[in-house]
Amino acid sequence: EAAVTQSPRNKVTVTGGNVTLSCRQTNSHNYMYWYRQDTGHGLRLIHYSYGAGNLQIGDVPDGYKATRTTQEDFFLLLELASPSQTSLYFCASRRQGNTEVFFGKGTRLTVV
Amino acid sequence: GDSVTQTEGQVTVSESKSLIINCTYSATSIGYPNLFWYVRYPGEGLQLLLKVITAGQKGSSRGFEATYNKEATSFHLQKASVQESDSAVYYCALSPPTNSAGNKLTFGIGTRVLVRP
Repeated sequence: EAAVTQSPRNKVTVTGGNVTLSCRQTNSHNYMYWYRQDTGHGLRLIHYSYGAGNLQIGDVPDGYKATRTTQEDFFLLLELASPSQTSLYFCASRRQGNTEVFFGKGTRLTVV
Repeated sequence: GDSVTQTEGQVTVSESKSLIINCTYSATSIGYPNLFWYVRYPGEGLQLLLKVITAGQKGSSRGFEATYNKEATSFHLQKASVQESDSAVYYCALSPPTNSAGNKLTFGIGTRVLVRP
């Protein structure tokens, strides 16, 4: 079973704060993704990556940076957090050539 | 861009009754998209419930089934007899047919299903 681990699972920060969400996959998957999920919206893609050092912009990238340091690790950075970034964030991974995407359990971020 | 529309809000159904969650899609890519149903149980991440990558085919898993209807651009999820353990949020999703950049998934808003004993 493919494993995607997110940390922290819950985070509260203040407006203007600096937050890093971490994701690690041990599946040797090429692709990794960061999504956010909000009431009234499906999961929306923030950033994704093909592999270490690669970064691609998703559909809702404003206010977010991301970095893929290794094949396993993908980080999402909020350098000036705003209340509009309060959301449930999911990391996911996929092997090139496969259609199935594997998700982590999510990080609930609250910006007060 | 691609879009997915599914039954909104919460669906409440009694145990052993039937369930249907509607899903229609619009895809901009050439060819037929891949279609998926994902499920998220409380406290868990999304997991794949079923997928169909060939138009006209039916997928099934855990008693659920969905048929890829390319004429109606629909992919409705059905189960004949639900159990309490089916209480979860269900997401319809699509991805482009070719292995394009990232092979991004486009999701519907999710439908919360509550099964009453």
